[in-house]
Amino acid sequence: DSGVTQTPKHLITATGQRVTLRCSPRSGDLSVYWYQQSLDQGLQFLIQYYNGEERAKGNILERFSAQQFPDLHSELNLSSLELGDSALYFCASSVEYTGELFFGEGSRLTVL
Amino acid sequence: SQKIEQNSEALNIQEGKTATLTCNYTNYSPAYLQWYRQDPGRGPVFLLLIRENEKEKRKERLKVTFDTTLKQSLFHITASQPADSATYLCALEGDNQGGKLIFGQGTELSVKP
Repeated sequence: DSGVTQTPKHLITATGQRVTLRCSPRSGDLSVYWYQQSLDQGLQFLIQYYNGEERAKGNILERFSAQQFPDLHSELNLSSLELGDSALYFCASSVEYTGELFFGEGSRLTVL
Repeated sequence: SQKIEQNSEALNIQEGKTATLTCNYTNYSPAYLQWYRQDPGRGPVFLLLIRENEKEKRKERLKVTFDTTLKQSLFHITASQPADSATYLCALEGDNQGGKLIFGQGTELSVKP
C-alpha cells in the first residue's frame, strides 16, 4: 500500500460526459502528479502540483483540468469525453517536487 | 526533442540468471534517474534512484548504473525469480527544474522457472 488513495477505481461513462477523479496523497507529501496510461501510449505525464500551485505541465488536453486543494488532495476533471480518453489515470505524490513518486492504484476510465 | 528509449521487446530469461534492462535518453541532462516496477493494472512502484554523480547503486538483488556520457542507465536483477516478472520503467526529470517526471515505455521482463 503506497498510501496514495484514488477514487473511483473504475468508471464507465459515455462520450461527451464529464468526470472527476480524486486523489489523496500520502500524509505529508506536498506534491501531486497526474499521469495517463493507455495501452499504446505508456505512462504520459499530465500535470504536477506542489503545495497548491501548478508546478509543471505535460501534454494535458484543454478539456482536462486539475487542481490541488488546501488539504493537499487533488482532483482531475475530464470533460467532453471522447473514446480515446479511455485509460488508466494514475495519481502519484512525493514529499518535495523532485524525488521518488508513490503511485496510487489508478482510476480506470472507460468511455463508451 | 527529449526522448527516453527502453527495450521495446520483452525480455525472457531463466530463473537464477541476471536480467539486464537498458534505458537510453537523448536531449536530457538529468540530475537523477529512477527505476520503477509495474505489474499489470497496478500503479508503478519505486525501486531505485541514482544521481548524476553516482556511477552505481545497489539494493538487495538490484543494481543500477548511470553513464551520463553515454546517456544510458542499466538496470540489473541478479538471481532472478519468477516473482520479478513485471514491466520495468525508467524515468527522468523532463525539465531539470523539478517535477515533470517523464517515463520510458518500459520493458516487460518474464522470468521462467
